[in-house]
Amino acid sequence: QKEVEQNSGPLSVPEGAIASLNCTYSDRGSQSFFWYRQYSGKSPELIMFIYSNGDKEDGRFTAQLNKASQYVSLLIRDSQPSDSATYLCAVKEMNRDDKIIFGKGTRLHILP
Amino acid sequence: DGGITQSPKYLFRKEGQNVTLSCEQNLNHDAMYWYRQDPGQGLRLIYYSQIVNDFQKGDIAEGYSVSREKKESFPLTVTSAQKNPTAFYLCASMRRNSNTGELFFGEGSRLTVL
Repeated sequence: QKEVEQNSGPLSVPEGAIASLNCTYSDRGSQSFFWYRQYSGKSPELIMFIYSNGDKEDGRFTAQLNKASQYVSLLIRDSQPSDSATYLCAVKEMNRDDKIIFGKGTRLHILP
Repeated sequence: DGGITQSPKYLFRKEGQNVTLSCEQNLNHDAMYWYRQDPGQGLRLIYYSQIVNDFQKGDIAEGYSVSREKKESFPLTVTSAQKNPTAFYLCASMRRNSNTGELFFGEGSRLTVL
């Protein structure tokens, strides 16, 4: 079974520091990669997507993809208390099928 | 406003009863999904559908059934065969061939089986 792996945390980071979240996936044919943020009791919301090797930056967020190592990460700069949430890594397979699978998520706690 | 509506938000059922969760979208999206989330866990795919009258099993389809008779609607039935049905259920949709592949989620349905 194809898998997406994340460290469940919690990951505690001081306010203003950089939070680094990691994800590995098992299917080499995976095409697109997503980071969703989920606050407790709420639905996930997309914060970043990436499909090319390298870095992609959007404000305080940077997604990094290394397809050779089957590794995708999310960096959050200048962490804020409002960034405290669960971050879910999701992967879309490279075929006509629109199947999207998620990791278990990493709980991030920003310390004021 | 465009979006996804799930109902009911909270549902209590006795063990052995079937229950159907509603999911409606007005985003004109072709693809729709059902995920299950248990406390402290990620999302596990139950079923997904790319077009009307067609759907595929996800990773945990046993004990669940779906239908896709209309583009806008993708109801999920939790049957008595599902051994541990208490969970948070999320419905999502996506525009096919989307550059972003973004899933749009409903607010979820929390099912508790007594």
